[in-house]
Amino acid sequence: DAKTTQPNSMESNEEEPVHLPCNHSTISGTDYIHWYRQLPSQGPEYVIHGLTSNVNNRMASLAIAEDRKSSTLILHRATLRDAAVYYCILRDVYGGTSGSRLTFGEGTQLTVNP
Amino acid sequence: DSGVTQTPKHLITATGQRVTLRCSPRSGDLSVYWYQQSLDQGLQFLIQYYNGEERAKGNILERFSAQQFPDLHSELNLSSLELGDSALYFCASSPRLAGVGNEQFFGPGTRLTVL
Repeated sequence: DAKTTQPNSMESNEEEPVHLPCNHSTISGTDYIHWYRQLPSQGPEYVIHGLTSNVNNRMASLAIAEDRKSSTLILHRATLRDAAVYYCILRDVYGGTSGSRLTFGEGTQLTVNP
Repeated sequence: DSGVTQTPKHLITATGQRVTLRCSPRSGDLSVYWYQQSLDQGLQFLIQYYNGEERAKGNILERFSAQQFPDLHSELNLSSLELGDSALYFCASSPRLAGVGNEQFFGPGTRLTVL
């Protein structure tokens, strides 16, 4: 599996935007970039995914570099509830069942200050 | 609420024992996945079942086994338990076997403590 690199931790203030970076320099052409997050004492939760173009949904935006070697998860206005570990995961969705599993790294622990 | 349910929430047992963890997937989801989260290993994929059949295996120990029943619920059986098996065990489900948009929805987990 292609590897991702994320900062161990980041801090933000409530109501401010948060940009969570992820480097994936060995990404392959069929790897989709997925983001999941894990709130305290809960299971992981899907956030967003993309291939090449920037993506938006109700939870966040995903900005993907033109060369696809890095991406940024954007939370437009952080709330206290967004405090979680954020995981950037590559999945070869065309890789059959091997592309189904999620390979979690250590993720980024996001702290949101009131 | 993801729609995935897991029982029990907590389980405390002794070394050498056997336990069964249960998972009910979201309505309509055919794939069930099991993951283990421990302090030293992080979140690790164990196994995937699709419509009753085992389809992918990860770092699952031989002492562990799983199955998916005709009603699509799944059970993870852990035997000859060791102290190192203490962890959070998550079940996840997704609509299909694989492919784009086949996102996984996780349950709240079962916390296993082996004494």
